Amino acid sequence: AQKVTQAQTEISVVEKEDVTLDCVYETRDTTYYLFWYKQPPSGELVFLIRRNSFDEQNEISGRYSWNFQKSTSSFNFTITASQVVDSAVYFCALASGNTPLVFGKGTRLSVIA
Amino acid sequence: DVKVTQSSRYLVKRTGEKVFLECVQDMDHENMFWYRQDPGLGLRLIYFSYDVKMKEKGDIPEGYSVSREKKERFSLILESASTNQTSMYLCASSLSQGAIGADTQYFGPGTRLTVL
Repeated sequence: AQKVTQAQTEISVVEKEDVTLDCVYETRDTTYYLFWYKQPPSGELVFLIRRNSFDEQNEISGRYSWNFQKSTSSFNFTITASQVVDSAVYFCALASGNTPLVFGKGTRLSVIA
Repeated sequence: DVKVTQSSRYLVKRTGEKVFLECVQDMDHENMFWYRQDPGLGLRLIYFSYDVKMKEKGDIPEGYSVSREKKERFSLILESASTNQTSMYLCASSLSQGAIGADTQYFGPGTRLTVL
């Protein structure tokens, strides 16, 4: 069975701090896909990134970066110089083959001005 | 941009009522999904559909049914609403590029359903 663990339930940081959200996954499949979504207070899940299991290159998009390490089954998400608008619940998710997304329970990030 | 819309943002129903939640996507996506989100439990898949008139059970299908008569529309039905179905319901869609797991899902704004 596939599983995603986001051990951090809630994180609170002061604006401009860097913050890393952890994601650990379990799967027996060799081909799989990892995702991060953001859920702001409005409620809609916003897609951030998709990564397949054959691409271990780290990705950077503005203040956001992702570190994918197959050796530790982790796909961590870092926000650099956090801003109040980054306050949201962030979900990590895993899918493979014909199995739809399995979500972690989410990490609530609060950025304080 | 992908647009997924849901018929209501907030809905209040009484126990025993039949409830319809509607979801429409405008990007000609093959796959559509219904999730419920509860505090501390994350998102759980109720049903999904990979084609018109096709459906598959997710992790928690009990108490729910679905209908997909047209490609762009996927309905979630609560045959007899109960208080434990009070939740946030999220619809999503994805383009089919082979394996259903490979596709990025795009979500609607959610419907917060309260059953009294």
